[in-house]
Amino acid sequence: DVKVTQSSRYLVKRTGEKVFLECVQDMDHENMFWYRQDPGLGLRLIYFSYDVKMKEKGDIPEGYSVSREKKERFSLILESASTNQTSMYLCASSPAFYEQYFGPGTRLTVT
Amino acid sequence: AQSVTQLGSHVSVSEGALVLLRCNYSSSVPPYLFWYVQYPNQGLQLLLKYTTGATLVKGINGFEAEFKKSETSFHLTKPSAHMSDAAEYFCAVSHVIMNRDDKIIFGKGTRLHILP
Repeated sequence: DVKVTQSSRYLVKRTGEKVFLECVQDMDHENMFWYRQDPGLGLRLIYFSYDVKMKEKGDIPEGYSVSREKKERFSLILESASTNQTSMYLCASSPAFYEQYFGPGTRLTVT
Repeated sequence: AQSVTQLGSHVSVSEGALVLLRCNYSSSVPPYLFWYVQYPNQGLQLLLKYTTGATLVKGINGFEAEFKKSETSFHLTKPSAHMSDAAEYFCAVSHVIMNRDDKIIFGKGTRLHILP
């Protein structure tokens, strides 16, 4: 089975802090994705990566950056957390641009 | 451009009744279609997918969906609802010929409530 893990299930940070969300997949997938999920808005794509050291902006990249130094790991960085970044963050991976496999999510609260 | 519309952000059915969650898509090329389920405080789990071939696809937990090209629909059904089916369901579309800029498009989700 594909396994996608995320570093934290719940995280509380203060406004202005730098926040790192880590995602690791164990199936040698080329593609990895970061989404945020908010009530009524569904899933919104923040960034994705189709190869090591490659990244592409999604629909809402503002306020975020990413890093992919190794194939299995894709990190989401909030350079200076703000309260409007309080959300559920979901990481996913896929062998191609077809079905995606999701991690359990990180519920981030910024106070 | 692709898009997905899920009709009804909330659907309630009685335990034992038919579950029908509606999904319509828009795609200029042959689509790949997916249904995902999300239980509270968890990630999304793939329920079933249509790529090519048989238009009626069966998934996990007794769910199935039928691809109807003429109606651009991919509705999700289950003959008899169970309390454990209470969750949020997402329909998604991608298409057969993908390039680097293409992504899977998700609907906004339908929350399924099961009434005892």
